Amino acid sequence: DGGITQSPKYLFRKEGQNVTLSCEQNLNHDAMYWYRQDPGQGLRLIYYSQIVNDFQKGDIAEGYSVSREKKESFPLTVTSAQKNPTAFYLCASSMRTQYNQPQHFGDGTRLSIL
Amino acid sequence: AQKITQTQPGMFVQEKEAVTLDCTYDTSDPSYGLFWYKQPSSGEMIFLIYQGSYDQQNATEGRYSLNFQKARKSANLVISASQLGDSAMYFCAMREGEGETSGSRLTFGEGTQLTVNP
Repeated sequence: DGGITQSPKYLFRKEGQNVTLSCEQNLNHDAMYWYRQDPGQGLRLIYYSQIVNDFQKGDIAEGYSVSREKKESFPLTVTSAQKNPTAFYLCASSMRTQYNQPQHFGDGTRLSIL
Repeated sequence: AQKITQTQPGMFVQEKEAVTLDCTYDTSDPSYGLFWYKQPSSGEMIFLIYQGSYDQQNATEGRYSLNFQKARKSANLVISASQLGDSAMYFCAMREGEGETSGSRLTFGEGTQLTVNP
């Protein structure tokens, strides 16, 4: 079945450590997105990529980095510069120019500080 | 200014009754789209319904309908015949423009927690 796979489901980070969240899609979508969700709040855009080898900062990019070397994959690295990384992270994808089509989401990764 | 405003942090409804979840938006772009998503406690985001700014009719999908009032910049979600499984967080989101720079990025509201009582 086509979909978006995020891994791991739960992740723990030590102080000063970088961690990478995986996002893979087999929907043949060209655009991919990373969102952060804090408890009881909405989704905020971290980074997005509309084509391979290109990405743009969203609203809260500081302390995060991404890469887009393959169409199917859009990993997110939470760096040690992100001082408050505890949150629920959601990855999504869509067809870039099909504006009436929704973004499809993965099941998310919950990141906590040890 | 908030681009998407959901003024109801929590809503309660009796099973089998209808409920309206409010969403107002702010944009100067004539081309935009509005999406509603449902997020159960498990965390996944489930797409419910879409309304484009140029659509002449209000969108409907099964028990979901959208009360789109363009002049008032509101796009309220109506759920008819509520079911216990409708208890979840509901998010309104907006896409602005149709171009290379904006792509299809979305801006989300803060959400409304709906509880359906038996």
